[in-house]
Amino acid sequence: KQEVTQIPAALSVPEGENLVLNCSFTDSAIYNLQWFRQDPGKGLTSLLLIQSSQREQTSGRLNASLDKSSGRSTLYIAASQPGDSATYLCAANYNFNKFYFGSGTKLNVKP
Amino acid sequence: DAMVIQNPRYQVTQFGKPVTLSCSQTLNHNVMYWYQQKSSQAPKLLFHYYDKDFNNEADTPDNFQSRRPNTSFCFLDIRSPGLGDAAMYLCATSMPNDNEQFFGPGTRLTVL
Repeated sequence: KQEVTQIPAALSVPEGENLVLNCSFTDSAIYNLQWFRQDPGKGLTSLLLIQSSQREQTSGRLNASLDKSSGRSTLYIAASQPGDSATYLCAANYNFNKFYFGSGTKLNVKP
Repeated sequence: DAMVIQNPRYQVTQFGKPVTLSCSQTLNHNVMYWYQQKSSQAPKLLFHYYDKDFNNEADTPDNFQSRRPNTSFCFLDIRSPGLGDAAMYLCATSMPNDNEQFFGPGTRLTVL
């Protein structure tokens, strides 16, 4: 059974710090991996999508990497801001329409 | 703006009273998904439609049903809600070419 794990479950950092969120998956035969942001009581906002043939994707201050052989993806956030405070989830896509989510990392950026 | 819309945003129902949640999309995506998310947990896929083809997850209870009358709309029916069905229900869409998912704002279901 595919499992997706995100560590740490919670992270608190001062404003301006660069940080890395981790996502690991048990089955390397993924189709793609997607990172989301979820604000309290809200839906999920797509941040970055990495196809299995890609190594990384960048959007503004965000950079996501994918290493299929080790079963890991990381989300790098540069120069963090209080507005970045949210829960960040990763989802591994298998067998085309099968998605498995991690439980998320709850990020708090302190002013 | 193209988007995924869920109605209502908050739904309160009584134990055992059927309830229907609605999702619509203006993205014209082929695939629509329903997820259940309980507090501080990962979203769990219940089922998805690829066009009119329905795909149920093996561990989705029979109490949960779905309908997709056309490309734009998809409904989640809970036939006899129990207290354990209280959760956020998320609808998502994607296209088969890249499978990037786009989510709606969710419906928070409370069961009394």
